Amino acid sequence: NAGVTQTPKFQVLKTGQSMTLQCAQDMNHNSMYWYRQDPGMGLRLIYYSASEGTTDKGEVPNGYNVSRLNKREFSLRLESAAPSQTSVYFCASNLAGGRVEQFFGPGTRLTVL
Amino acid sequence: GQQLNQSPQSMFIQEGEDVSMNCTSSSIFNTWLWYKQDPGEGPVLLIALYKAGELTSNGRLTAQFGITRKDSFLNISASIPSDVGIYFCAGQLTNAGKSTFGDGTTLTVKP
Repeated sequence: NAGVTQTPKFQVLKTGQSMTLQCAQDMNHNSMYWYRQDPGMGLRLIYYSASEGTTDKGEVPNGYNVSRLNKREFSLRLESAAPSQTSVYFCASNLAGGRVEQFFGPGTRLTVL
Repeated sequence: GQQLNQSPQSMFIQEGEDVSMNCTSSSIFNTWLWYKQDPGEGPVLLIALYKAGELTSNGRLTAQFGITRKDSFLNISASIPSDVGIYFCAGQLTNAGKSTFGDGTTLTVKP
């Protein structure tokens, strides 16, 4: 049981490049989330998917898009990366329906030059 | 949006000492959560609180859900070196799972 997995672990991009961050969970959870964490700050919600087939904006969605590919996978796409998107990105999932504990992946460390 | 104020921002303590940190909000939450993040890893849930006034323990950790539903605190007793890390509080208003996080308390434990 791997829990929540994320790929890649590290990535360096040039301004304007695009990339997709992958996330998968094997816990049969309904809801999945993408957060970013900047130095000295907590996690800020980018997008979430309450259930397969639905996605909604979080606190800081600008510059990102998401796809809930199936129940297991939730990807985050940067279409045109900017230095302000340098951050650590965490994917999380939870069962929902009253079970609020989120399980986090190990993170993707992204640097945009 | 909702914001959480977490304090202190950092703590430097001696092994064996007790630790206390808290989180306050200008608006109410229905659930309070406390997470710990080790360097290079994602946060891991320590304690979840579901009811105002609830006091819950997990080993040396004790957390309480404030009566006003606008605050929560976390205590760690008899700290040990592996307690080092960043502790985050998080609040949820609905059971949709969306959390608002505090900025974290960085704990350093000196042997």
